[in-house]
Amino acid sequence: ELKVEQNPLFLSMQEGKNYTIYCNYSTTSDRLYWYRQDPGKSLESLFVLLSNGAVKQEGRLMASLDTKARLSTLHITAAVHDLSATYFCAVDIGGGADGLTFGKGTHLIIQP
Amino acid sequence: EPEVTQTPSHQVTQMGQEVILRCVPISNHLYFYWYRQILGQKVEFLVSFYNNEISEKSEIFDDQFSVERPDGSNFTLKIRSTKLEDSAMYFCASRATGGFNQPQHFGDGTRLSIL
Repeated sequence: ELKVEQNPLFLSMQEGKNYTIYCNYSTTSDRLYWYRQDPGKSLESLFVLLSNGAVKQEGRLMASLDTKARLSTLHITAAVHDLSATYFCAVDIGGGADGLTFGKGTHLIIQP
Repeated sequence: EPEVTQTPSHQVTQMGQEVILRCVPISNHLYFYWYRQILGQKVEFLVSFYNNEISEKSEIFDDQFSVERPDGSNFTLKIRSTKLEDSAMYFCASRATGGFNQPQHFGDGTRLSIL
């Protein structure tokens, strides 16, 4: 059974600081997705990582994938309040029709 | 930008009653999914649907659950006899193709409250 573990589960940080969220998974896969969820809202796709060494950046967020270590990271640079949300990683090990297995999410609060 | 739309946004139902949650996936998408999220917990996969049949289902998706694509646009999740533990947010998602470079796009969800 695929397990996806995120840490930390809760993170409070100040604006302007850098931090990294980690996502470990238990079964070989080269397909990993990051989503953002605001309170009471849907999941918004942030990054699609499809190969070992993949790195994607959007604004202050950068995601990477190391399939050998079964590890993905989401790095936040110079955090701003608007990035406060819950961030989920999700792994896909099946075919195109298969469901995603999500981590528990990292609840991120960025304080002024 | 095209969206996945779900109705209703909130459904309150008595335990034991049947409930149908509705979704309109993005129009050119071929793969459809249902997930649920119990308050404060992670998102859990229920079922995927492709080519008018179920492709994969999780252990949560037991005989009380069914899915249907009754026409060319709607995708529904039916819970036959609801239990208290079915209370959750239910998300519908769709994906354009089987290609993994396309993420699954999620709707805003239906909050299901079982009394």
